[in-house]
Amino acid sequence: EIVLTQSPATLSLSPGERATLSCRASQSVSSYLAWYQQKPGQAPRLLIYDASNRATGIPARFSGSGSGTDFTLTISSLEPEDFAVYYCQQRSNWPRITFGPGTKVDIK
Amino acid sequence: EVQLVESGGGLVQPGGSLRLSCAASGFTFSSYSMNWVRQAPGKGLEWVSYISSSSSTIYYADSVKGRFTISRDNAKNSLYLQMNSLRDEDTAVYYCARDLRIAVAGTGGYWGQGTLVTVSS
Repeated sequence: EIVLTQSPATLSLSPGERATLSCRASQSVSSYLAWYQQKPGQAPRLLIYDASNRATGIPARFSGSGSGTDFTLTISSLEPEDFAVYYCQQRSNWPRITFGPGTKVDIK
Repeated sequence: EVQLVESGGGLVQPGGSLRLSCAASGFTFSSYSMNWVRQAPGKGLEWVSYISSSSSTIYYADSVKGRFTISRDNAKNSLYLQMNSLRDEDTAVYYCARDLRIAVAGTGGYWGQGTLVTVSS
């Protein structure tokens, strides 16, 4: 099983600040990594797929980068609606897809 | 607009059974593979099961293999999850999720709102 580790567990920032979230895989997942946003009581929403492709309707302030074992989700300037939990997920080992434990971005 | 609406969740005793449904609309259901993903209260996401567009390929997580059965009815635009021999650890919100792209599995492009399954005596 490919284990995904996300850091930090919690990121406390203010609106307008830049957020940098990390996801590290226990072995190479090539570029087969996605990022999701989840708000309380809501379903996850796809933000980024295949490491760097924004999903339909996702604002340009969200960007993804990385390949192999190290990936980053960057939110260039936090909007109030961006405070949420973010999960990474790999499909390299499909059907054994796995998710990271999540990073909570909360308001400082 | 893609819509996925789950139903069928509820309270069930350990060892019991439940059947979840997911009604799909806004896209050609028969063209896309589908998944069930669950989330225990306060925890992260866990992939549960996959079914290809024609039902020819099916996979399960080890944690549910032999107890859960995924199926679909393309004529009814519906996805199902039959859950038997339920355990306390199956308590979770269950989401149906459509793969993002045709013939490319593993990315949950669209998700339903989820249905809560509680296993407790």
